[in-house]
Amino acid sequence: KQEVTQIPAALSVPEGENLVLNCSFTDSAIYNLQWFRQDPGKGLTSLLLIQSSQREQTSGRLNASLDKSSGRSTLYIAASQPGDSATYLCAVGSSNTGKLIFGQGTTLQVKP
Amino acid sequence: EAGVAQSPRYKIIEKRQSVAFWCNPISGHATLYWYQQILGQGPKLLIQFQNNGVVDDSQLPKDRFSAERLKGVDSTLKIQPAKLEDSAVYLCASRLGQGIDTQYFGPGTRLTVL
Repeated sequence: KQEVTQIPAALSVPEGENLVLNCSFTDSAIYNLQWFRQDPGKGLTSLLLIQSSQREQTSGRLNASLDKSSGRSTLYIAASQPGDSATYLCAVGSSNTGKLIFGQGTTLQVKP
Repeated sequence: EAGVAQSPRYKIIEKRQSVAFWCNPISGHATLYWYQQILGQGPKLLIQFQNNGVVDDSQLPKDRFSAERLKGVDSTLKIQPAKLEDSAVYLCASRLGQGIDTQYFGPGTRLTVL
């Protein structure tokens, strides 16, 4: 059974700092891995999707890496801004049906 | 392009009552998902539809939860009777189809069971 874990559960950093969010999964036989952002009272927004054959994806100040053999992914946020404050969720896709297994999330606060 | 719509946004009921949630996916999206997100946890898949057929309902508590997708478009999720532990945000998501991986999420319905 696939299990997804995110550490830390919460993180507070000053504006401008570079930071890394961690995600680990127990079964390396994955289809893809996605990072989502969730703002309070809102749904999830997809940030980056990494296919199982890829090692990383980049979008603006965000970079996500995938190491299937070690069961890990990281989300790197460069030059953090107060607007980046949100909960970040990692989700593993186990097949092409789109079924996702989520971690519990990391709540990020970026202080001005 | 309109996003995934859900209603109501908030619902408060007493235990043993029944409740229903509605979801309208993005037009043309064949796949529809219902997730349950308990406070402090990640979303957990309850049921997945492909058009109007069920693909996966392995984590749906079928003794109290039911869902349908009328004509392969809108969907309703019902809880009858509700328990205290059903308090959560219920998220609906849709996806264009197999091989197109991005899921688009609605704002969710926050259910409080007293």
